[in-house]
Amino acid sequence: QVQLLESGGGVVQPGRSLRLSCATSGFTFSSYGMHWVRQAPGKGLEWVAVIWYDGSNKDYADSVKGRFTISRDDSKNTLYLQMNTLRAEDTAVYYCARVRSGSNGDLDYWGQGTLVTVSS
Amino acid sequence: EIVLTQSPGTLSLSPGERATLSCRASQSVSSSYLAWYQQKPGQAPRLLIYGASNRATGIPDRFSGSGSGTDFTLTISRLEPEDFAVYYCQQYGGSPPTWTFGQGTKVEIK
Repeated sequence: QVQLLESGGGVVQPGRSLRLSCATSGFTFSSYGMHWVRQAPGKGLEWVAVIWYDGSNKDYADSVKGRFTISRDDSKNTLYLQMNTLRAEDTAVYYCARVRSGSNGDLDYWGQGTLVTVSS
Repeated sequence: EIVLTQSPGTLSLSPGERATLSCRASQSVSSSYLAWYQQKPGQAPRLLIYGASNRATGIPDRFSGSGSGTDFTLTISRLEPEDFAVYYCQQYGGSPPTWTFGQGTKVEIK
């Protein structure tokens, strides 16, 4: 069955970096676009970044543009999010999610999330 | 940038009642790119509806979506105990493309 498992979260000081990973299984990873979506404590969902199935396109929310980088390693079936120059407002649960086949917009499988806390 | 506004913020209903949730876009959205998600506490979101009106795999038929342009609706025909949760609409579109979520509607037990 389709599984997505995030890791790499933790407590980090403002201005520092962190890399999140999303290990996937149960589907042909290289055939799917992938997203990162975050949720601050007690708040709603915020889209963060997307990478096309072939890595040819990447897009970012304005709030993270220039600081975060999404990437993928199809040989490892893994999605990444490199987060630099972290700010307190980046504190959130970060989810990876798969684009539904045939779509560019909706997300049919999600991981359980990894918590990133930016605090001194 | 398209902004999605969901209403009401909270809906207090009893099991068996009908729930009607609204999602209004600040500009026209392609129906193909309007989705609804359900999220329960401590869980990841779950895709309910895609393309404004298509149920995702395994979603019961008490969930239905409708609408076009700037106004979309999620209807739960008869609330089951497991339906009490937060619901988000989401759209994709524009150039450069962006993915936007509404702020959510909480359906709580009355």
